[in-house]
Amino acid sequence: AQRVTQPEKLLSVFKGAPVELKCNYSYSGSPELFWYVQYSRQRLQLLLRHISRESIKGFTADLNKGETSFHLKKPFAQEEDSAMYYCALGSTGYSTLTFGKGTMLLVSP
Amino acid sequence: DAGVIQSPRHEVTEMGQEVTLRCKPISGHNSLFWYRQTMMRGLELLIYFNNNVPIDDSGMPEDRFSAKMPNASFSTLKIQPSEPRDSAVYFCASRDRNSGNTIYFGEGSWLTVV
Repeated sequence: AQRVTQPEKLLSVFKGAPVELKCNYSYSGSPELFWYVQYSRQRLQLLLRHISRESIKGFTADLNKGETSFHLKKPFAQEEDSAMYYCALGSTGYSTLTFGKGTMLLVSP
Repeated sequence: DAGVIQSPRHEVTEMGQEVTLRCKPISGHNSLFWYRQTMMRGLELLIYFNNNVPIDDSGMPEDRFSAKMPNASFSTLKIQPSEPRDSAVYFCASRDRNSGNTIYFGEGSWLTVV
């Protein structure tokens, strides 16, 4: 069975501090991992995918198959980063994405 | 493309009334998903369609919920009769299966049942 775990419901940091949002997954096949972001009362938007190996808005995430993790990182948080972040797991065969329960990031001035 | 379009954006209804939520997926996308978002349970998949055919409806809470996709450009999620515990944000999302797993969400329909 597929499962995505985001252990923190809320992460509160000060502006300029480093941020790490944790995501662990459980899947026996070859995973495809995503991070989605949801700003207040808006749609979920794709932030990044592990296969793209890109940096979006200063965020990066590396897939660690040994630790089955896909943590989201940013070296210096900005106030506009405050949002809900969802980690999601896709499987081979392109069925659905399994989402974690999300982590709310609050960046204070 | 305008993205995934949902209507209504907001609905307040009385318990017992029928609610119909509508979705227009991104043109050319062949998978469509309905999700429900609440504070308590987060984001839950209700049902998804491939090529207009329902593939997995195991997330539909109960018989009061039904979803249809009569053609590639339209889907509905119906709740009849509605109950206060159905209050949530309902998201529709779509995907082009030929382009991988990325799904694209609509703005959501904010439902309040009083």
